[in-house]
Amino acid sequence: DGGITQSPKYLFRKEGQNVTLSCEQNLNHDAMYWYRQDPGQGLRLIYYSQIVNDFQKGDIAEGYSVSREKKESFPLTVTSAQKNPTAFYLCASSSFGQGTEAFFGQGTRLTVV
Amino acid sequence: QQQVKQSPQSLIVQKGGISIINCAYENTAFDYFPWYQQFPGKGPALLIAIRPDVSEKKEGRFTISFNKSAKQFSLHIMDSQPGDSATYFCAASSKGSARQLTFGSGTQLTVLP
Repeated sequence: DGGITQSPKYLFRKEGQNVTLSCEQNLNHDAMYWYRQDPGQGLRLIYYSQIVNDFQKGDIAEGYSVSREKKESFPLTVTSAQKNPTAFYLCASSSFGQGTEAFFGQGTRLTVV
Repeated sequence: QQQVKQSPQSLIVQKGGISIINCAYENTAFDYFPWYQQFPGKGPALLIAIRPDVSEKKEGRFTISFNKSAKQFSLHIMDSQPGDSATYFCAASSKGSARQLTFGSGTQLTVLP
């Protein structure tokens, strides 16, 4: 089945730790995105990538890092510099062109313990 | 200029009633306006989308109304059902922003049986 797979579904992080969230897509999409969702708020863009080995900061990139070594994969690292990392993280992908649907993964819920 | 404002924050409707959610935007470069539906613990899924060259689009019980001059668009859910209870997000994107989606803050819809 085509789609986006995020793992793990739940992740717990200790203070001062870096953690990496996985996102893999088999839709052959060029663009991939990471969003953060907090309760009662919309989705805010963290990073996005249009092609392999290239990515741009979104609105809330501080404390996060990404890589795009393969077209199918766009992992997100939440670093210890991110002071409030507890949130629901969503990965998405799309093709370019007007009206192209963005497909979302099922999300990773990160909790700081 | 990138902001999309969504209202109401929450909405309670009786089964069979009409649910209406409104969004407004400022960025005139936006040229694609999707609505996403999200159930708890899941990623958002595209519900319906519109381009600014039409004023209305209908798919089953779901209709988008678009007012380009007012820079507003709305989602109408006819004959609302308990299974429609979810969070709904409006969004907008433009070609110049690599098709990244700017989301509204979301509306939590509850349809009472």
